Amino acid sequence: NAGVTQTPKFRILKIGQSMTLQCTQDMNHNYMYWYRQDPGMGLKLIYYSVGAGITDKGEVPNGYNVSRSTTEDFPLRLELAAPSQTSVYFCASSYGITGDYYGYTFGSGTRLTVV
Amino acid sequence: SQELEQSPQSLIVQEGKNLTINCTSSKTLYGLYWYKQKYGEGLIFLMMLQKGGEEKSHEKITAKLDEKKQQSSLHITASQPSHAGIYLCGADGGQAGTALIFGKGTTLSVSS
Repeated sequence: NAGVTQTPKFRILKIGQSMTLQCTQDMNHNYMYWYRQDPGMGLKLIYYSVGAGITDKGEVPNGYNVSRSTTEDFPLRLELAAPSQTSVYFCASSYGITGDYYGYTFGSGTRLTVV
Repeated sequence: SQELEQSPQSLIVQEGKNLTINCTSSKTLYGLYWYKQKYGEGLIFLMMLQKGGEEKSHEKITAKLDEKKQQSSLHITASQPSHAGIYLCGADGGQAGTALIFGKGTTLSVSS
């Protein structure tokens, strides 16, 4: 029962570098989401996907890109890292059934620091 | 767009005391979710409320949904150091697969 797996758990990037945050789920969920969490700010939606090949922007998409080639994987790409992207990133997935609390499953997070 | 406001922002209570955290929505609440987070860790699902007047309990934590007030409350009875952490409320948009919108969180510290 792996659920949602995120890698890496920690990463330090230099300004201008790029990296991909990996997210994989093994529950055959259609919906997947990327959030970022800054201190005292709750979680803000970056991008989401309703199925393989379909992605859309959330509240704070600037500086990020996503792709969804398979149901299982939803990687988040940072092209030119900036200090403002220092944050904790959470990936989540859901069945897409409203009211099903088993639907929303979160990964353990990736703590990213840009210096 | 929907916004969730949590109060208080932070809370320090003595072990054994009761406390309440509120989550107020700017729009109609459909599914309301409570999560707990310890520093540096992921989100732990506590409970989910759907219907007005619904009340659920898990160990010493009780959550209620007031549909008319568009508000949910989380009540902890006889707090313990293990209750310390950040409590987040999240709301779905009433449609399948909609991303959860979160409040800013309430940081709870329990002194022994």
